[in-house]
Amino acid sequence: EVQLVESGGGRVKPGGSLRISCAASGLSLKNFVFSWVRQSLGKGLEWVSSISRSGTTIYYAESLRGRFTVTKDNSKNSLYLQMNSLSAEDTAIYYCVRDLPGVPHTFDIWGQGTVVTVSS
Amino acid sequence: DIVLTQSPDSLAVSLGERATLNCRSNQSLLYSSNNRNYLSWFQQKSGQPPRLLIYWASTRESGVPDRFIGSGSGTDFTLTISNLQAEDVALYYCQQYYDESYDFGPGTKVDIK
Repeated sequence: EVQLVESGGGRVKPGGSLRISCAASGLSLKNFVFSWVRQSLGKGLEWVSSISRSGTTIYYAESLRGRFTVTKDNSKNSLYLQMNSLSAEDTAIYYCVRDLPGVPHTFDIWGQGTVVTVSS
Repeated sequence: DIVLTQSPDSLAVSLGERATLNCRSNQSLLYSSNNRNYLSWFQQKSGQPPRLLIYWASTRESGVPDRFIGSGSGTDFTLTISNLQAEDVALYYCQQYYDESYDFGPGTKVDIK
């Protein structure tokens, strides 16, 4: 069964950092493009970042560039999102998603998400 | 920047009837070189992640019932749910992947009348 499982979410204070993870099973990260999408009450669904199969090409939402960093470890079949200088606006459910093969930047497989709350 | 608007905000439809959801973009999502519209539709049920229903504006994702039909081109798109079922109660989002913001629309809520 194909599955993406996010972890590492939690409560963090404004200005803090957090790294969330996504473990893939039933498919290999090195064979597909993966992304992070977040969902908040205020902004709805928002694309965060995408990483190529090799990990050498990474795209970020303009508003997040410089604070968020995506990496992956193909040997562990895991994806990571390092988030720095967090503010209340980053409070959201963060989803790990697979880009639909052959269709760039739309998403056919979603994890259940991990909740990040930025609050003092 | 591309901005997507969806209408109506919500609608209630009787079981077995048709629901019509609209998505409008302030810029064309039709890429002339391949004649494809860079628009998807997602369904999100309560407590679940979104599910891809339609891509390229009208191509149904594998496993999606054929009562879900995507149509439209350029700036105006429609998701039609024919023969509405109880399990279709959800939020529906359109998403553009024409430009690098890959934005989602604000959503339309579908309920049973």
